[in-house]
Amino acid sequence: GAVVSQHPSWVICKSGTSVKIECRSLDFQATTMFWYRQFPKQSLMLMATSNEGSKATYEQGVEKDKFLINHASLTLSTLTVTSAHPEDSSFYICSASMGYEKLFFGSGTQLSVL
Amino acid sequence: GQQLNQSPQSMFIQEGEDVSMNCTSSSIFNTWLWYKQDPGEGPVLLIALYKAGELTSNGRLTAQFGITRKDSFLNISASIPSDVGIYFCAGRTSGSRLTFGEGTQLTVNP
Repeated sequence: GAVVSQHPSWVICKSGTSVKIECRSLDFQATTMFWYRQFPKQSLMLMATSNEGSKATYEQGVEKDKFLINHASLTLSTLTVTSAHPEDSSFYICSASMGYEKLFFGSGTQLSVL
Repeated sequence: GQQLNQSPQSMFIQEGEDVSMNCTSSSIFNTWLWYKQDPGEGPVLLIALYKAGELTSNGRLTAQFGITRKDSFLNISASIPSDVGIYFCAGRTSGSRLTFGEGTQLTVNP
């Protein structure tokens, strides 16, 4: 089946620094990619939807200046957490769509901000 | 916004027992999906349902798309230790955007 690669799988950073997370569709072109955030023992919360070559659409309450999303190609989307703070510590998951019926998830990135 | 109510929140069962979990919504969905998530991993699709009333099986798993399009259930028969994990339902109205339930944490005792 289709594979979505997410990197890094975990990252620890100091408060105030920025962290970039990559999401790649390895064997298909993803027209749309989604970024989710998940706190321990909670569900996935959609943060934003990104389409290749256009600006991401952010969900209500998600700061677009803090969570920068770039979808520069049909196989790569990046999420940059800028000026990270401890409350940004979470599990971030991307998913990639190759059409209405096909949606695949990455393996997630655990971010810990000290 | 749309919300999915998933129950139960957690289940503790013995190996070999059957399991049932369900999701309900006040909104109509065109597709219902069931995912399993292991610790530190992304969700993996188990079953996808596309038509109201549809009953679909995948090995020991069976899921149904409710007639009203506002609910779905997932059954796991003859549970085994590797069934441990968090199970999420998800609904889709249009496009690829999903709304997730709160999850059911399943623990299987050998």
